[in-house]
Amino acid sequence: GENVEQHPSTLSVQEGDSAVIKCTYSDSASNYFPWYKQELGKGPQLIIDIRSNVGEKKDQRIAVTLNKTAKHFSLHITETQPEDSAVYFCAASPSIGTDKLIFGTGTRLQVFP
Amino acid sequence: EAQVTQNPRYLITVTGKKLTVTCSQNMNHEYMSWYRQDPGLGLRQIYYSMNVEVTDKGDVPEGYKVSRKEKRNFPLILESPSPNQTSLYFCASSYREDGGYTFGSGTRLTVV
Repeated sequence: GENVEQHPSTLSVQEGDSAVIKCTYSDSASNYFPWYKQELGKGPQLIIDIRSNVGEKKDQRIAVTLNKTAKHFSLHITETQPEDSAVYFCAASPSIGTDKLIFGTGTRLQVFP
Repeated sequence: EAQVTQNPRYLITVTGKKLTVTCSQNMNHEYMSWYRQDPGLGLRQIYYSMNVEVTDKGDVPEGYKVSRKEKRNFPLILESPSPNQTSLYFCASSYREDGGYTFGSGTRLTVV
């Protein structure tokens, strides 16, 4: 089955710097890759996702890149702000039409003012 | 407001005492799923449902049951809870064609 590895487990950056979180997956059939942000005491919230027919997607300060050949995808946050501090999870799914979503173990991002 | 509602938010119970965690969504989503979150392990899927009366096991189904009698509700049942089921539980739902889950606020369960 699918296995998703996520690095780093913790990441500290200065406000205004960029942050990058990387994930690798094992199942070449996976074709849907969402990213979730979890703030303290809340459930995960979808922030961006990418399908396998796209190499990059951007939404304001957040971007995700996908390399299907290498089976890895990354989350890029530019101009970080203290409110970006949270735990971020990547995930992979064999298709949108199934409910099989496998999550990485999470990255705790701290943005210092 | 579109949301997934879980109850209770916090629960402390004793080993062997049956309990149910409720989950309801108001978005007419086909898919619903239960996850548990443990430190260092991320989110692991317990059970999922692709529609009414259609449920299937996720990665860690042992000790849990679910039912999907109505589209909006997907309760999680622990028939005989054990301490290793102490965890943070999340219910989630999505459209079939969308894939993006909406998560509930979580239920922190402690089994003593």
